[in-house]
Amino acid sequence: AQTVTQSQPEMSVQEAETVTLSCTYDTSENNYYLFWYKQPPSRQMILVIRQEAYKQQNATENRFSVNFQKAAKSFSLKISDSQLGDTAMYFCAFNAGGTSYGKLTFGQGTILTVHP
Amino acid sequence: ETGVTQTPRHLVMGMTNKKSLKCEQHLGHNAMYWYKQSAKKPLELMFVYSLEERVENNSVPSRFSPECPNSSHLFLHLHTLQPEDSALYLCASSQDLTGAYEQYFGPGTRLTVT
Repeated sequence: AQTVTQSQPEMSVQEAETVTLSCTYDTSENNYYLFWYKQPPSRQMILVIRQEAYKQQNATENRFSVNFQKAAKSFSLKISDSQLGDTAMYFCAFNAGGTSYGKLTFGQGTILTVHP
Repeated sequence: ETGVTQTPRHLVMGMTNKKSLKCEQHLGHNAMYWYKQSAKKPLELMFVYSLEERVENNSVPSRFSPECPNSSHLFLHLHTLQPEDSALYLCASSQDLTGAYEQYFGPGTRLTVT
């Protein structure tokens, strides 16, 4: 069974600064997908960024980028130039693909607060 | 309406009540999911449907009964719930079950069992 661990229950950052959220996972699969989702207070969960395990290049999406270390089974999220609207719960999620029936395994989440 | 919608947004029910949660996706997706989000616990997958057929039942108690009449609608029927069932119930949809595509989430139904 796959597991996802987010070791930082809470993080805070000043506006315009950079913050990195950690995520590690455990799997015996070779091809899989990793995601970071954002859940703002009282708002819908939305996708932040997505990484395919067979791609060596780290995914980027505007101010968001990942550091994907396949051998270490690590998938951290870097947020540059933090904005107040980035305040949210961030979830790391894993999908084994194939016959996993689209099942997402989530980490416990990290509450990020951006201070003005 | 766009994306994934859920009704009601808030629900308070007694342990002997019967109620239903509704989810509708307007994205033309083929797969739909129910998740339970409890405080201080990771999201738990409950059920997965693909083209109206249930493909995963993640050891969910029988007091939760899903229904998927078509690929756009998903229901979660609730009966004789327990206080520990109080949680945020999230519906999601995705293009298919390959896992390659993101899941789109609804706003959730905040359920309180008294």
